[in-house]
Amino acid sequence: GAGVSQSPRYKVAKRGQDVALRCDPISGHVSLFWYQQALGQGPEFLTYFQNEAQLDKSGLPSDRFFAERPEGSVSTLKIQRTQQEDSAVYLCASSSRLLWDFGPGTRLTVT
Amino acid sequence: AQKVTQAQTEISVVEKEDVTLDCVYETRDTTYYLFWYKQPPSGELVFLIRRNSFDEQNEISGRYSWNFQKSTSSFNFTITASQVVDSAVYFCALSVSVGNEKLTFGTGTRLTIIP
Repeated sequence: GAGVSQSPRYKVAKRGQDVALRCDPISGHVSLFWYQQALGQGPEFLTYFQNEAQLDKSGLPSDRFFAERPEGSVSTLKIQRTQQEDSAVYLCASSSRLLWDFGPGTRLTVT
Repeated sequence: AQKVTQAQTEISVVEKEDVTLDCVYETRDTTYYLFWYKQPPSGELVFLIRRNSFDEQNEISGRYSWNFQKSTSSFNFTITASQVVDSAVYFCALSVSVGNEKLTFGTGTRLTIIP
């Protein structure tokens, strides 16, 4: 069956640009998570949705980061005025019964 | 707060050798779940195992085995008779909440199997 998909797979942005990263979770998965993985590090939690409700955004590093999931399925992570330190792989995961399915990630490079 | 420590940054072994990847965790919760993921060069996270805090029974799956010891807060992963395809970064992770099941990951261990 179809897994979690993310688009684009690669994104190059100039510093100061806004970017939007998309996540299509597995159909029927209520929970959706975003993680940020810097080079050589483990993934770090950004935010969590249960259906359309954003229940935890404690991991968002600044107010330049914003996530939404308006209809409880597709989610978008938006980063405004990108900075070089935002360069990372952004992973999306959806879960059912404590089993997570991760997407392939979006590699963001800010130049 | 939760914490996962993988002290081994990089390990290299010759093919067919056994190798153990260490994982130490910290949590004040009595109910929690431990995980291992594999991240090959392609970048996707591949689920290997989930273990809950009430089940200390060790598990074996083919060449893979896991040793969970609550007394030392460790959840170590052993690969027997390693193969080149085992080369990857391996992450240990912890989840403590049902309802917000976010994962806390370690920094990973890069395993290289030398043919």
